[in-house]
Amino acid sequence: DVKVTQSSRYLVKRTGEKVFLECVQDMDHENMFWYRQDPGLGLRLIYFSYDVKMKEKGDIPEGYSVSREKKERFSLILESASTNQTSMYLCASSRQGVISGNTIYFGEGSWLTVV
Amino acid sequence: DAKTTQPNSMESNEEEPVHLPCNHSTISGTDYIHWYRQLPSQGPEYVIHGLTSNVNNRMASLAIAEDRKSSTLILHRATLRDAAVYYCILRDYSNSGYALNFGKGTSLLVTP
Repeated sequence: DVKVTQSSRYLVKRTGEKVFLECVQDMDHENMFWYRQDPGLGLRLIYFSYDVKMKEKGDIPEGYSVSREKKERFSLILESASTNQTSMYLCASSRQGVISGNTIYFGEGSWLTVV
Repeated sequence: DAKTTQPNSMESNEEEPVHLPCNHSTISGTDYIHWYRQLPSQGPEYVIHGLTSNVNNRMASLAIAEDRKSSTLILHRATLRDAAVYYCILRDYSNSGYALNFGKGTSLLVTP
């Protein structure tokens, strides 16, 4: 089975802190994604990566950056955390994007609270 | 990507069939129809997908209208564990984009 593992399930950080959310997948998928999910807003794409060292902005990239140094690992970075970044963050991966019906696999989510 | 429209919420009794509708009137010929669901406090999981023909798997069935402007996810016998948010998503398989865009989905409540 495909496994997408997010390093932290629950985090509490202070405003202004630099925050790293780590994600690892074990199926050699080319593509990885970071979403955030907020009540009433559904899932929104922050960034995605289709290859090592490659990244593309999603719908809401402001205040975030990403790093993909190895194929299996995709990190989301909050350079200076703010309270409006309190949210659940979801990492996902898929093979060759989602063309030809390929499915996307999600981690369990990381609940971040910024105080 | 073409847009989908789903009801915000639906309710079903346990062990009864559930039909979750999705409208996608602007669907293009190269769009696949995907369904995912998200159980409470978990990430979304794949349910089923199709292009033109109806599809069945162990989780559900997908009925696609002949004109492809709508589809229905069918859970044959709802259980309490099927209570989740169900997302209907279109994805064009012919372009180079990579990410699925999730809307707000349909929140399914299953009552005993």
